[in-house]
Amino acid sequence: NAGVTQTPKFQVLKTGQSMTLQCAQDMNHNSMYWYRQDPGMGLRLIYYSASEGTTDKGEVPNGYNVSRLNKREFSLRLESAAPSQTSVYFCASSPRQENTGELFFGEGSRLTVL
Amino acid sequence: QKEVEQDPGPLSVPEGAIVSLNCTYSNSAFQYFMWYRQYSRKGPELLMYTYSSGNKEDGRFTAQVDKSSKYISLFIRDSQPSDSATYLCAMRSSGSARQLTFGSGTQLTVLP
Repeated sequence: NAGVTQTPKFQVLKTGQSMTLQCAQDMNHNSMYWYRQDPGMGLRLIYYSASEGTTDKGEVPNGYNVSRLNKREFSLRLESAAPSQTSVYFCASSPRQENTGELFFGEGSRLTVL
Repeated sequence: QKEVEQDPGPLSVPEGAIVSLNCTYSNSAFQYFMWYRQYSRKGPELLMYTYSSGNKEDGRFTAQVDKSSKYISLFIRDSQPSDSATYLCAMRSSGSARQLTFGSGTQLTVLP
């Protein structure tokens, strides 16, 4: 019973490089989310997908793009990484289309941008 | 000023103590309140979920919401070393487009 799986778990990038964080859930959940967690800032929503085929911006979308590939998978892409994007990224899913607060999180992807 | 304020700690207590974790908020539209537990280098997991004011108990955990004071609490009775984690409060208003607002978390250590 894997739940929410994120890859990679760790990544180091140089400024300007691009990369994609992958997320997959096996709980048949409708909505999926990408958050970033920074010290003293709490979790902040980057993008979300209420259902397959839809995506919307969250609180801090600049510098990121997302793709809801199918119901299971939701990827986050950094086109030109910046040091300010050094963070821990969490993917989450929820059974419902709206974010009721019942979120299931992955274990996180730690990204360092030099 | 942040919408949700949470004392970051760290908070250290002896095993068996009663722990009180708190969040204050400024948005009176918040109606749904959650507590998440996050172990080191892991993702958060939902611990408690409450709607509006009142108390909710689940085993050793009690969540309390006081909307008049814009204050929520999580009480842990008979604390155990396995309770050592960071506790995040989260809240949202009603409406399908509303997203969660998280506190920054309180780091708790329960000493054996």
